[in-house]
Amino acid sequence: QVQLVQSGAEVKKPGSSVKVSCKASGGTFSTYAVSWVRQAPGQGLEWMGGIITIFGRRNYAQKFQGRVTIITDDSSSTAYMELSSLRSEDTAVYYCARAMTRLSSGMSYRGFFHFNNMDVWGQGTTVTVSS
Amino acid sequence: QSALTQPASVSGSPGQSITISCTGTSSDVGRYNSVSWYQQHPGKAPKLMIYDVSNRPSGVSYRFSGSKSGNTASLTISGLQAEDEADYYCSSFTSNSFVFGTGTKVTVL
Repeated sequence: QVQLVQSGAEVKKPGSSVKVSCKASGGTFSTYAVSWVRQAPGQGLEWMGGIITIFGRRNYAQKFQGRVTIITDDSSSTAYMELSSLRSEDTAVYYCARAMTRLSSGMSYRGFFHFNNMDVWGQGTTVTVSS
Repeated sequence: QSALTQPASVSGSPGQSITISCTGTSSDVGRYNSVSWYQQHPGKAPKLMIYDVSNRPSGVSYRFSGSKSGNTASLTISGLQAEDEADYYCSSFTSNSFVFGTGTKVTVL
């Protein structure tokens, strides 16, 4: 059973960047859609973006375009999310999550459809942005 | 892309049934049979409870069921139990985004 293990809590200054990692233990990312979702204190879930390595595709929410970068390292089964130009409103818990459907190169690429049905989640990484 | 609309809170007594709605548009919920539901307990990661509108992942109680009519999806919890007290989120996608619902706090009285 795959588990997603995320890196530890971070405290950052406004204007800086943060890079959060998510390692798949007992599984892989290359044939699944991987999303990053954040949750500000007392708020709901917010989809930031995702990556589908087998299709060579990244999709980002419009709100984060230009500030977020998501990559995967298949050799270490690790996904990364980097968020730049941090501000206090970015203080949140950041989750990685893997969609349940295993993909293959013979399938048709269907965009945001692939990020649906996230059945494996990381434990979350708290990022605090404070001067 | 705006968040899908859910009631802020729903409550029920043990043993009762409750239903949480998730209202979108003809571009998301109404267009695709790809609504998911997640349960989140305080301080924990979300857990997938329903996928593709009405399917339960292995290990999820039969007391949880999902449906959809038009632009509104619903999650029903029957035989409400104390452990069901949590936040619940729906999700869907559109041609150019992915979106969660606003979230519903379920309270077991």
